Amino acid sequence: GQNIDQPTEMTATEGAIVQINCTYQTSGFNGLFWYQQHAGEAPTFLSYNVLDGLEEKGRFSSFLSRSKGYSYLLLKELQMKDSASYLCAVRLAYSGAGSYQLTFGKGTKLSVIP
Amino acid sequence: DAGITQSPRYKITETGRQVTLMCHQTWSHSYMFWYRQDLGHGLRLIYYSAAADITDKGEVPDGYVVSRSKTENFPLTLESATRSQTSVYFCASTLLPSGGPYEQYFGPGTRLTVT
Repeated sequence: GQNIDQPTEMTATEGAIVQINCTYQTSGFNGLFWYQQHAGEAPTFLSYNVLDGLEEKGRFSSFLSRSKGYSYLLLKELQMKDSASYLCAVRLAYSGAGSYQLTFGKGTKLSVIP
Repeated sequence: DAGITQSPRYKITETGRQVTLMCHQTWSHSYMFWYRQDLGHGLRLIYYSAAADITDKGEVPDGYVVSRSKTENFPLTLESATRSQTSVYFCASTLLPSGGPYEQYFGPGTRLTVT
């Protein structure tokens, strides 16, 4: 089966930096996604990695190591509005229509405190 | 531009009843997905569709039926609702392959309670 692990909860201080880790063991790999989900709302896309390395988007960065089955999401200059769940998702290397399926981890609930 | 919408947003139904959750997108995205989200499980794929009249099972399809007669609509039906189907249901869509990550866009969700 597919296994995607993330910490359940994290707490960080406003203005600080936080790193949310994701490890995966899957039968294939065709990209890793990070989504943000505020309580009671829909997930929204944050970042995508398919090659090893760091992708930076403003205050958010995402890193991937395919050989280690590991990714992290780095949030800098934390703001109160960053309090949300962060979902790691892997796209498996199926063929055809199934290639666009995502398998999600259970999410990490981040609380930003003053 | 409404994007992707779901209705109803909240629904309470009784065990054994049939209930249909609607999903509509205005982008002409070819791929659409139904997920359920439960505490302790995260998002799990129920069914997906690559195009009109093409659907396939995901991880947790039992007790659900889908159809897709038009590209923009992807209804999910619970044929005989059970308490274990109490959940938040999200519909999502993604664009035809044209380069890029093909990220999924999610609707606002339907909170379903089965009593």
